[in-house]
Amino acid sequence: AQSVTQLGSHVSVSEGALVLLRCNYSSSVPPYLFWYVQYPNQGLQLLLKYTTGATLVKGINGFEAEFKKSETSFHLTKPSAHMSDAAEYFCAVRETGNQFYFGTGTSLTVIP
Amino acid sequence: DVKVTQSSRYLVKRTGEKVFLECVQDMDHENMFWYRQDPGLGLRLIYFSYDVKMKEKGDIPEGYSVSREKKERFSLILESASTNQTSMYLCASREAGGVKQPQHFGDGTRLSIL
Repeated sequence: AQSVTQLGSHVSVSEGALVLLRCNYSSSVPPYLFWYVQYPNQGLQLLLKYTTGATLVKGINGFEAEFKKSETSFHLTKPSAHMSDAAEYFCAVRETGNQFYFGTGTSLTVIP
Repeated sequence: DVKVTQSSRYLVKRTGEKVFLECVQDMDHENMFWYRQDPGLGLRLIYFSYDVKMKEKGDIPEGYSVSREKKERFSLILESASTNQTSMYLCASREAGGVKQPQHFGDGTRLSIL
């Protein structure tokens, strides 16, 4: 069965510090992987996606993520946190078919 | 840009009422989805539709039904609302024909059942 695990429901970083949000998945076939961001009182917005090809993918707002098949991970990083990055982040996985599987989310707080 | 519009941002209803949540997308997407979002549980799929008049149950369909009479519109129906259906409801759409396509989300409807 497909599952997505986001380690840490709450992460706090100082402004300017590295952001690292963790995502591990289980999949019996090569997956398609997505990170979404949700700002307060808004829907989910696509940050980046991995489908095939280069395992390091770059997204909007300076975020990037690396697909590591051996570790079944797709961690999200940003070198320097900004106050505007405070939001909830969701990792999602899709195999074949129409259904996406979402993690439970990680709430990011940026401390000035 | 894809636009997914949910008809209400906030909604308050009473137990036992029949509740309709509407979602419209403007990109001619075949696939549409309804999720509910609860703290600590992430997004859980209620129903999805892969074409007009076609629907499939997601992970938590109990107490809900859906309607897709036109391609651009996907309605979620709470047949008899209960307090445990108080939640944030998110609609999404997606282009079919490619596993690489992401979902595009509306801004959500925060539903309170009193």
